[in-house]
Amino acid sequence: EVQLVESGGGLVQPGGSLRLSCSASGFTFSTYAMHWVRQAPGKGLEYVSAIDNSGHRTFYADSVKGRFTVSRDNSKNMLNLQMSGLRPEDTAVYYCVKRPSYSSGWYYDYWGQGTLVTVSS
Amino acid sequence: QTVVTQEPSFSVSPGGTVTLTCGLSSGSVSTTYHPSWYQQTPGQAPRTLIYNTNTRSSGVPDRFSGSILGNKAALTITGAQADDESDYYCVLYMGNDIWVFGGGTKLTVL
Repeated sequence: EVQLVESGGGLVQPGGSLRLSCSASGFTFSTYAMHWVRQAPGKGLEYVSAIDNSGHRTFYADSVKGRFTVSRDNSKNMLNLQMSGLRPEDTAVYYCVKRPSYSSGWYYDYWGQGTLVTVSS
Repeated sequence: QTVVTQEPSFSVSPGGTVTLTCGLSSGSVSTTYHPSWYQQTPGQAPRTLIYNTNTRSSGVPDRFSGSILGNKAALTITGAQADDESDYYCVLYMGNDIWVFGGGTKLTVL
C-alpha cells in the first residue's frame, strides 16, 4: 500500500524558515517524480514544486521560486521541502504527492494527508 | 499568466446528472493538456478521480466520467449520490513541468 506521510509543519514567524519532509513507503521511491502541492485555508489547490525521480531536476511555481528548495533522499525514501523567507501567504496545508510513471501520463496518483504551515507573528 | 477556470459552485439533485467544466482563460483545453480531476471532502486529502482526460482511477465508480466538451475538459457525474458532495479540482499540464490547478467547484447534492 502506498503511503506518504508529511511532517515538519508548524508555526513560524514571517521571514523564518521551515523544513518539511515526506516519508514514502509501499512503492519504489527512486522510480517516481514527486511534487508538493499546497492549499491555503478555505482556498484551492496550488502546485508548489516538483522533483524528478533522480533528484537532478527541480521545478518551482513562480510564487516560491528562490525561497523554497525541494530535494529527495532515495536511500531513505524521503522527500523534503526547505522553505525560507516565509510569508503569511505561504500559510497552507502542504501535501506530498506522487506522480505515476512517466509513460502513464501527467497526473497525480497518490496524496499524503498534508502538514499545516502557519506563518504569523 | 495562464488561468484555469472552473465553476465556483454547482448543485445537483440526488440521482441527477451534472457536468463540471475546466477551461482556459485563453485558448481551448485539449487532450494535450492531460486534464485530470480530483475530489476533496472537507478536512481530507484530495482523491484522484480521472486522468488523461477520461481514464478512471482505480476504485472510482463508473458514474464518474471525463471528456472534452467543446473547448473545455469536463467531469460528468451520472446518478449523483449524497456522498458526491465535495470540492472538485481539475489540473492541466502545460508542459515544461508547469502544472496549473483550477480554482475548484463546490458541488452540492440536494
